[in-house]
Amino acid sequence: QVQLHESGPGLVKPSQTLSLTCTVSGASISSGNFQWSWIRQPAGKGLEWIGLIYTSGSTSYNPSLNGRVTISIGTSKNQFSLKLTSVTAADTAVYYCTRVNGFRRDSDYWGRGTLVTVSS
Amino acid sequence: QSVLTQPPSVSGAPGQRVTISCTGSSSNIGARYDVQWYQQLPGTAPKLLIYGNSNRPSGVPDRFSGSKSGTSASLAITGLQAEDEADYYCQSYDSSLSGYVFGTGTTVTVL
Repeated sequence: QVQLHESGPGLVKPSQTLSLTCTVSGASISSGNFQWSWIRQPAGKGLEWIGLIYTSGSTSYNPSLNGRVTISIGTSKNQFSLKLTSVTAADTAVYYCTRVNGFRRDSDYWGRGTLVTVSS
Repeated sequence: QSVLTQPPSVSGAPGQRVTISCTGSSSNIGARYDVQWYQQLPGTAPKLLIYGNSNRPSGVPDRFSGSKSGTSASLAITGLQAEDEADYYCQSYDSSLSGYVFGTGTTVTVL
C-alpha cells in the first residue's frame, strides 16, 4: 500500500521560504512511470496544482507561482520536497503531496495534507 | 487559478441522479487530454474517483460514472446516497500551461 506523509513547519513568516517534505512508503520515487506532485488548497477554496517532479529529476511548475517554486528529491532516499519562496498570506493553505500515475495522469495516492499558515 | 469550470453546487434527494459538468477549452479537455474526478469528503484529502474520463479505480461504486465530449466532461451519480455529500473536482492537463489544472469544484448536497 502506497502512503504519503507531508511534514514541515505549520507557521511561516511573510517573505520567508515555505519548506515541506513528503515521505513516501510502499513505492520508490525513483522508479516506475510515476511523478510526484504538490497540490494546495486554501481554506474553503478549490485545489491548485503547484508542480511535480519526474523520476528523472525533471520538474514542471505552475506558471502562476511566478518562479517561486522548487521541487526536488529529498536527501533521504524516498522523500521529495517543496520550497516556496517569498510567501504571503495568500500562500496559506493545506498542502498535499500526491503520486501521479504517468500513464493516466491522475493522482492516485494522496497524503493527508498539512496546514501551512503564513503570518507574522 | 482554475481553467476548468464547474457549477458551485448540485443537490438531489436520496436515490436520485445528479450530474456535474466540467467545461474546459481547446488546450485541455478539447485537446484530448483525459479528465479525472476526485471526491473530497469534509476534512479529508481528495480521493480519486474516476480516471481516464470514465474508469473507476478498484473500490469505487458503479453508481459513479464519467464521460467526456468535446471540451467538456461530466460526472454522474446515480442512486444518490447520504455518504455522497462531498466536494467534487475535475482535473485535466493543459498544454498552454504545461501543467495540470483543476476544476472550480462542486458541492453535492443530499436533500
